[in-house]
Amino acid sequence: AQTVTQSQPEMSVQEAETVTLSCTYDTSESDYYLFWYKQPPSRQMILVIRQEAYKQQNATENRFSVNFQKAAKSFSLKISDSQLGDAAMYFCAFLPMYSGGGADGLTFGKGTHLIIQP
Amino acid sequence: DTAVSQTPKYLVTQMGNDKSIKCEQNLGHDTMYWYKQDSKKFLKIMFSYNNKELIINETVPNRFSPKSPDKAHLNLHINSLELGDSAVYFCASSRKGSYEQYFGPGTRLTVT
Repeated sequence: AQTVTQSQPEMSVQEAETVTLSCTYDTSESDYYLFWYKQPPSRQMILVIRQEAYKQQNATENRFSVNFQKAAKSFSLKISDSQLGDAAMYFCAFLPMYSGGGADGLTFGKGTHLIIQP
Repeated sequence: DTAVSQTPKYLVTQMGNDKSIKCEQNLGHDTMYWYKQDSKKFLKIMFSYNNKELIINETVPNRFSPKSPDKAHLNLHINSLELGDSAVYFCASSRKGSYEQYFGPGTRLTVT
């Protein structure tokens, strides 16, 4: 079984500044995916970014990027130029990558509540 | 077009009742899931179905039973509702072999 830990229950950042959300995980799997999901007050789960464990290059999606350290089992999310619309709960999640894959549920961390100060 | 839909979005009921939450996906996916998000926002997988076969059954009470009439639907039946069942329940779907799960809008269940 795997575990995902988000040690920051809440983070606050000034609009236009940069913020980093932390995530660590524990697994015996060698192949897996890692994700960051955003959940705004509407409660819709929105995929922000994903990382395949076999890829050394860190994923980026516009203002969102990750710092993936496989040996340290760390997967942080950096949000640059923070905007008011970034205010939400952010969840780190883990998914094993099997050849038959896709039937596994995501393992989530407990989430970080991100506040954007105008 | 809504990819994954759930009905109802809100459900208020009394302890001891039996209720169902419906989920439909129009993406042609063959795997569907149910997640529970508790009052502290913690999300946990409950079930997944792949081609009408239960793949994961986490340690949830047997009062909860998923029912899949066809590949596009995975309904969640809950018997003898308890206060602790109050939560947001999310349905999701994915294509076999794909990493990406598409989530429905969630159903907020309140048991009084």
